[in-house]
Amino acid sequence: DQQVKQNSPSLSVQEGRISILNCDYTNSMFDYFLWYKKYPAEGPTFLISISSIKDKNEDGRFTVFLNKSAKHLSLHIVPSQPGDSAVYFCAAGAGGTSYGKLTFGQGTILTVHP
Amino acid sequence: DSGVTQTPKHLITATGQRVTLRCSPRSGDLSVYWYQQSLDQGLQFLIQYYNGEERAKGNILERFSAQQFPDLHSELNLSSLELGDSALYFCASSVGGVRNQPQHFGDGTRLSIL
Repeated sequence: DQQVKQNSPSLSVQEGRISILNCDYTNSMFDYFLWYKKYPAEGPTFLISISSIKDKNEDGRFTVFLNKSAKHLSLHIVPSQPGDSAVYFCAAGAGGTSYGKLTFGQGTILTVHP
Repeated sequence: DSGVTQTPKHLITATGQRVTLRCSPRSGDLSVYWYQQSLDQGLQFLIQYYNGEERAKGNILERFSAQQFPDLHSELNLSSLELGDSALYFCASSVGGVRNQPQHFGDGTRLSIL
């Protein structure tokens, strides 16, 4: 049972354009969401997060949008740069006895062409 | 550099064997997490420790065990290894032990079972 899904295995965009990565979740107990970026042979790196009490969070070129009713979140990267080429994972966490447990999606490979 | 150190980087062994993966968290972080990433899969949460105590558990096999020592480093022990245990094993750490504190990942240990 995949509680966090990234339905697009890959995405290709031109440098300078917007990249939109999508993520869906099924568990209504999730109340905190994070995006991680991963380069080959490295561990995931935290990018940006959002609490379920918000619908948008922005950090520089990165913006995460949360639609709780649709159980959907997205990461927007504007403008995209070749150095953004990586695998992007969304992750979700719940409160209570879940503590720090995160459930990850399968990842989306983003390729930004010069 | 995330500050999380995992050793060894690569491990090749045979079925039926036992291995130990080691993780040193970032300075000041009290919580350690272990994740497994199999081929083309997202990261699967295994277990979390906070200041030496087990805090949350995922779908960790009975053949796997972990502990966090007084100096806060952690070890993941995998025994009676099977071919399907071949994967990347990531360790992460965070200051506290809840979901809204970003986890910082090491570069992983690649385990290959022959």
